[in-house]
Amino acid sequence: EVLLVESGGGLVQPGGSLRLSCAASGFTLSSSTMYWVRQAPGKGLEWIAYIRGSDSRTFYADSVRGRFTISKDNAKNSQYLQMNSLTDEDTAVYYCATEGDWSYLRYWGQGTLVTVSS
Amino acid sequence: DIVMTQSPDSLAVSLGERATINCKSSQTVLYSSNNKNFLAWYQQKPGQPPKLLIYWASTRESGVPDRFSGSGSGTDFTLTISSLQAEDVAVYYCQQYYSTLHSFGQGTKLEIK
Repeated sequence: EVLLVESGGGLVQPGGSLRLSCAASGFTLSSSTMYWVRQAPGKGLEWIAYIRGSDSRTFYADSVRGRFTISKDNAKNSQYLQMNSLTDEDTAVYYCATEGDWSYLRYWGQGTLVTVSS
Repeated sequence: DIVMTQSPDSLAVSLGERATINCKSSQTVLYSSNNKNFLAWYQQKPGQPPKLLIYWASTRESGVPDRFSGSGSGTDFTLTISSLQAEDVAVYYCQQYYSTLHSFGQGTKLEIK
């Protein structure tokens, strides 16, 4: 069974940094493309980043490019999202997800809440 | 970037009736070399992560009731629930995975009339 468990969310001040983790089980992360999707309170889904399984190439939404960095540790079967220069617009539940046999998102974690506030 | 626009933003349907949600992409998501539409539909209930319903625009995910169906091609897509059940109350999202920068529609909130 595929399981994704996010951690690392919490309260951070504007301009601060936070690192989210996603522990994966039930599949081999090294060959899988991994995603981060976020959802601001009462708002819709926003895809923000992914790291491709085949070559570890990374892709970012315009809203986070240059501030966020996605990475993974195959040995730990985990992926990460380093978030810098946070603003209140980054307040959201952050979901870890992975795909089926292509880039649709078959498996999702329960999410971790990030609150940016002074 | 491909912009996904759903309509309507909210919808109220009676139990047992048909519900139809539309999704339009700002450019085609049909890949001509394999004739596949890179379009998925998700259902999200309050307090839960999204759940994959449909991929390749019309392929139902395993375990999804057959009252859910997807159709369309190119830039115009539809999610249909043939006979609305109480447990179908949720927000529904379309997503394109055609371009390297994926994008979701804004969501459609489905309620019982």
